[in-house]
Amino acid sequence: AQKITQTQPGMFVQEKEAVTLDCTYDTSDPSYGLFWYKQPSSGEMIFLIYQGSYDQQNATEGRYSLNFQKARKSANLVISASQLGDSAMYFCAMSTSGTYKYIFGTGTRLKVLA
Amino acid sequence: DGGITQSPKYLFRKEGQNVTLSCEQNLNHDAMYWYRQDPGQGLRLIYYSQIVNDFQKGDIAEGYSVSREKKESFPLTVTSAQKNPTAFYLCASSIVGSPIPYEQYFGPGTRLTVT
Repeated sequence: AQKITQTQPGMFVQEKEAVTLDCTYDTSDPSYGLFWYKQPSSGEMIFLIYQGSYDQQNATEGRYSLNFQKARKSANLVISASQLGDSAMYFCAMSTSGTYKYIFGTGTRLKVLA
Repeated sequence: DGGITQSPKYLFRKEGQNVTLSCEQNLNHDAMYWYRQDPGQGLRLIYYSQIVNDFQKGDIAEGYSVSREKKESFPLTVTSAQKNPTAFYLCASSIVGSPIPYEQYFGPGTRLTVT
């Protein structure tokens, strides 16, 4: 069965510091994609970063990077130089080529402190 | 600009009434999805469709119905059989057919309140 686990319900980080949000996944399909989304209080889901299961290098998008450890089945999101606007809910998600269903973790609420 | 529209943003209904939530996309995506989100919770899949005139139940389909008569439209009906319909509903779309799934694009959501 496919599963996404986010074990940190809430996190605090000081402005300008880096923070890591944890995500572990489980699937038997060799072809899958891993995604991180940001959900501000307005409710919209903002796509942040994507990692394909066959990608050799960790994905990066500006201040966001994905620490992909395939053997450990982890896909942690690293936000560098945190900003007050980064305060939001963050969701890890996965989809496999077998079903094209997307499953989401329970999310981590990040609060950036001034 | 390409994207997904959901209307209305806020919707109020009386208990016992069916209500239909609109979702339209102009991204030319084959797959469309409906999710429900309760306060402080993650997203739960209600229905999804990978092709016109075909759709599959997600994890919480009871009390909901959908149709996919056009590629760009995937309306969700919340029926009176849904015991707790008050929630935030998100529609999404994605490309299918690639070796590795791509990201989903989301609409702005509809907040449904049933009293």
